Amino acid sequence: DTAVSQTPKYLVTQMGNDKSIKCEQNLGHDTMYWYKQDSKKFLKIMFSYNNKELIINETVPNRFSPKSPDKAHLNLHINSLELGDSAVYFCASSRLGQRNTGELFFGEGSRLTVL
Amino acid sequence: QQPVQSPQAVILREGEDAVINCSSSKALYSVHWYRQKHGEAPVFLMILLKGGEQKGHDKISASFNEKKQQSSLYLTASQLSYSGTYFCGTLEYGNKLVFGAGTILRVKS
Repeated sequence: DTAVSQTPKYLVTQMGNDKSIKCEQNLGHDTMYWYKQDSKKFLKIMFSYNNKELIINETVPNRFSPKSPDKAHLNLHINSLELGDSAVYFCASSRLGQRNTGELFFGEGSRLTVL
Repeated sequence: QQPVQSPQAVILREGEDAVINCSSSKALYSVHWYRQKHGEAPVFLMILLKGGEQKGHDKISASFNEKKQQSSLYLTASQLSYSGTYFCGTLEYGNKLVFGAGTILRVKS
């Protein structure tokens, strides 16, 4: 069983479209994250949820809206896609926030290409 | 503010050693190290929680100098499987893990 799974793995879409990425973890963790990795491999945190509550919201355009229906799921919806949104989006989870275990478990990533 | 990693890239032959450094302008509470192979997700290597702490995993070890606000990752007798991009991460307020820009390590046979 995959610990942190994301779908879809690949998305190719036109500018202006809306898309969603789903993430699920079966590790029993309380905290989930979205990271964006650009073409230069820079990993930047976007959002973090702890037990369905938003705790980190970086300076991300409000076209990006995360939703956590329960602590095992964190989805990312992106409206009005732009060329600069092309990247790999990683979902991750950890237990009780990083301070306790420190270990982030990453999903395989979702590669978004905006044409 | 993201930590600064050096070098940006390093090429080794199998069996050689390497050191990757990570420093921050802010006080560090913990330092995390991850490795990402091409086309894969980052994978946790180790976390150092306090100054002076050293940890090891196989032939990869790390140290944390709290006073100098830096950490170093040591790769000894490198193997082909060590190739990848290494990221250090520092924990900021709100349990936010901020990653450095990464160090590309390539081990050649």
